[in-house]
Formats: sequence, C-alpha cells, structure tokens
Amino acid sequence: QKEVEQNSGPLSVPEGAIASLNCTYSDRGSQSFFWYRQYSGKSPELIMFIYSNGDKEDGRFTAQLNKASQYVSLLIRDSQPSDSATYLCAVRGSQGNLIFGKGTKLSVKP
Amino acid sequence: EAQVTQNPRYLITVTGKKLTVTCSQNMNHEYMSWYRQDPGLGLRQIYYSMNVEVTDKGDVPEGYKVSRKEKRNFPLILESPSPNQTSLYFCASRGQGAPGELFFGEGSRLTVL
Repeated sequence: QKEVEQNSGPLSVPEGAIASLNCTYSDRGSQSFFWYRQYSGKSPELIMFIYSNGDKEDGRFTAQLNKASQYVSLLIRDSQPSDSATYLCAVRGSQGNLIFGKGTKLSVKP
Repeated sequence: EAQVTQNPRYLITVTGKKLTVTCSQNMNHEYMSWYRQDPGLGLRQIYYSMNVEVTDKGDVPEGYKVSRKEKRNFPLILESPSPNQTSLYFCASRGQGAPGELFFGEGSRLTVL
C-alpha cells in the first residue's frame, strides 16, 4: 500500500514566523510532488509542485524535496492569518495515481 | 473560465433513495476522479477514469457507481445510499501533460439520513 504521511497538527505559529510542513512517502518510484491548501469546507487548491531534488521557491512558499530520504516539505515565510488552512501533500506514484496525505492543519495567530 | 462543476453542492436524502452527483469539466481533460473526504481520514479516492469508457476502482468504491460516456462528464451514482456515505465529495480532473496537477470541483456535501 503506497502511503503519504503527514503530521495532522494543528501546527500553530505566530504571524510573521516561518511555518514548516512535512511529508514522507513510501513509493520510491514517485515522480511528482504537490502541495495543496484547503480552507475549511472548500476544495483543495494547488500551491506548488516539485519534481527534482532541492528547493523550489514561489513567493513566500518554498517546497523542498529529498528523494533519498523520501521526504518533501513546504516552508511558508512571513506567515499570515490568511495562511491558516489544512495543507495536503500529494504524491504521484509509480502507477500514476495521485496519493494524498491526510493533511496538516496550520493556524497562524495574529 | 477553466473549471470543474459539481451538482448538487448540498443534498440531504434518505437511506435507499438513489441519487446522482454530476461532474463536468471544460478543460478537455482525459483523467477524472471522485474523492470523498471525511474528518481524520483525508481524501480517499472512490473511482477514476483515464478516458471515455475507461473507469477503475479507487480505494473506497463500495456503494458507488460511475460512468464515462463523454469526455467532459463523470457522474457519481449512489444506487442505495446509506448513512455511512454521508461525506464531502470532490470531483477532480487533470490533463495528460506535466505537471499533472488535479483541478478540483467545489465539492458536494451529502447527508444521508
């Protein structure tokens, strides 16, 4: 069974701090990695995707991938209360399907 | 505007009364999928379709049916709904090319009494 694991949280950070969200996956053949943000009762929306080892930056968001450790993370700099949401890690495994973690709930306190 | 449209958005029904949740996408995507989301269980895939007339079971297919007669539509059918199918349902689609992210509909909140 291919798995994607995330700490469910809640992760609480003060406004302006860096929020660090982590995800591990079991399928070594995984090729693509995605971070989605989901507000309560709303649909998931894509924040970032990453293919290659290393870092990928987009504004306040940085995705980090380490395939050897089967680990992907999302850093949110200068966290804002509007970043409070559940963050879903998703991994495209060797069979092509997208497998989601259960999500980490982030709370940014003003 | 590129979008995935689900209907109904909210539905309260009773056990055993057949219902269909429609899903339509206007992005000419080959792949479409249905998920249900429950507290503490995350997004679980019900069925998916790689293209017209091609469907396959996901992780939790019991009690559901799907069809893919046209590329743009992928309805989810509950022949005899039960209370354990009370959930938030999402339809999603993606194209063939990279990066292959999923585009989600707005969700359908279903309550079965």
